[in-house]
Amino acid sequence: GAVVSQHPSRVICKSGTSVKIECRSLDFQATTMFWYRQFPKQSLMLMATSNEGSKATYEQGVEKDKFLINHASLTLSTLTVTSAHPEDSSFYICSASLVAPSSYNEQFFGPGTRLTVL
Amino acid sequence: GEDVEQSLFLSVREGDSSVINCTYTDSSSTYLYWYKQEPGAGLQLLTYIFSNMDMKQDQRLTVLLNKKDKHLSLRIADTQTGDSAIYFCAERMGLTGGGNKLTFGTGTQLKVEL
Repeated sequence: GAVVSQHPSRVICKSGTSVKIECRSLDFQATTMFWYRQFPKQSLMLMATSNEGSKATYEQGVEKDKFLINHASLTLSTLTVTSAHPEDSSFYICSASLVAPSSYNEQFFGPGTRLTVL
Repeated sequence: GEDVEQSLFLSVREGDSSVINCTYTDSSSTYLYWYKQEPGAGLQLLTYIFSNMDMKQDQRLTVLLNKKDKHLSLRIADTQTGDSAIYFCAERMGLTGGGNKLTFGTGTQLKVEL
């Protein structure tokens, strides 16, 4: 099956620093990658939709200057949390859709990255 | 609006059936999905149903869709301890391309007791 990896799986950083999270589709090419944020015991909230080679589309209320998304290739998207603060601490999950999607257009999810900002 | 609601918690005994319910508000949904999330992990697609179907069965899983009432359910037969997880329903609007986003429900924590 299609596999999506995320790196790192867990990161702890100091307030004010920037953190980069990678999302890779390991055995398929992804036209579109999605970035989600999940607070404890809550649902996934879509942050942005990223298409290879173009600017990401951010959801309402998500600061594009704070959450920088780069989708430079069909297998890699990165999310950079700039000047992180404790309120940015969360579980960040990416997903990827196939270049030639099936009719039900499955999104394949990465294992998530736990970010803790001290 | 795109609100997807689920009950927060369900507890069942091993071997019993579990039924997880989901209600949504957007009648233009094309596909509806059920995902499973184990602690500290990403989401695993369990099953999906196209909006013109009423029911879909896949081994121990049965999905029922009532479009009139905008109600989706997931029945897990012979529930096992390994089924303990959080279950999310999700809806998708649109038919084409990878750009169609999903709206997730609030999640149901399923606990299977011996």
